[in-house]
Amino acid sequence: GEDVEQSLFLSVREGDSSVINCTYTDSSSTYLYWYKQEPGAGLQLLTYIFSNMDMKQDQRLTVLLNKKDKHLSLRIADTQTGDSAIYFCASGGATNKLIFGTGTLLAVQP
Amino acid sequence: DSGVTQTPKHLITATGQRVTLRCSPRSGDLSVYWYQQSLDQGLQFLIQYYNGEERAKGNILERFSAQQFPDLHSELNLSSLELGDSALYFCASSGSVTGGSGNTIYFGEGSWLTVV
Repeated sequence: GEDVEQSLFLSVREGDSSVINCTYTDSSSTYLYWYKQEPGAGLQLLTYIFSNMDMKQDQRLTVLLNKKDKHLSLRIADTQTGDSAIYFCASGGATNKLIFGTGTLLAVQP
Repeated sequence: DSGVTQTPKHLITATGQRVTLRCSPRSGDLSVYWYQQSLDQGLQFLIQYYNGEERAKGNILERFSAQQFPDLHSELNLSSLELGDSALYFCASSGSVTGGSGNTIYFGEGSWLTVV
């Protein structure tokens, strides 16, 4: 069945770059998304990438997509303590139904 | 602010009861989605409506039902509640069923349901 996998935890120092990785199984995924969830809060859409793109950059965020390996990554440059949160990768197909990963807890050390 | 509004934000109810969660999508969005987030299951897709009609169904229990009204707001009805139904229920919306900029899917803040 459809599945999205992420590592559970990442710890970085403030000012470093963070790279959060994700793999998915659904080859019909049309869009791939990154959402951020802060404690007790909702899901904030950070960025998304269309499946025919390799890379998308948006300010401090860079998304890389390797469609052959079904691998997606989110790089956060100059990571700040305010970036501490859970980051969810999600794949979306024809119906827009999203399959979410387990989420990666990003801890930024001052 | 995503533009998706959910009420209530928090709800505590007893087992066996029924509750209704309400969602107003972003202005102009035709699709509404419901998701459940729990510690053991993670984020699970429940159901999708597009312009009033059901379009996709996920892991939604028979005790749960949803509808989308002509003004495009949606309600998720949860009945015969069990302790395991305690979760954060998200509503999301997008502009179209498939393709193009309609694939930007925005989530509300969620409704915290605690069943005691």
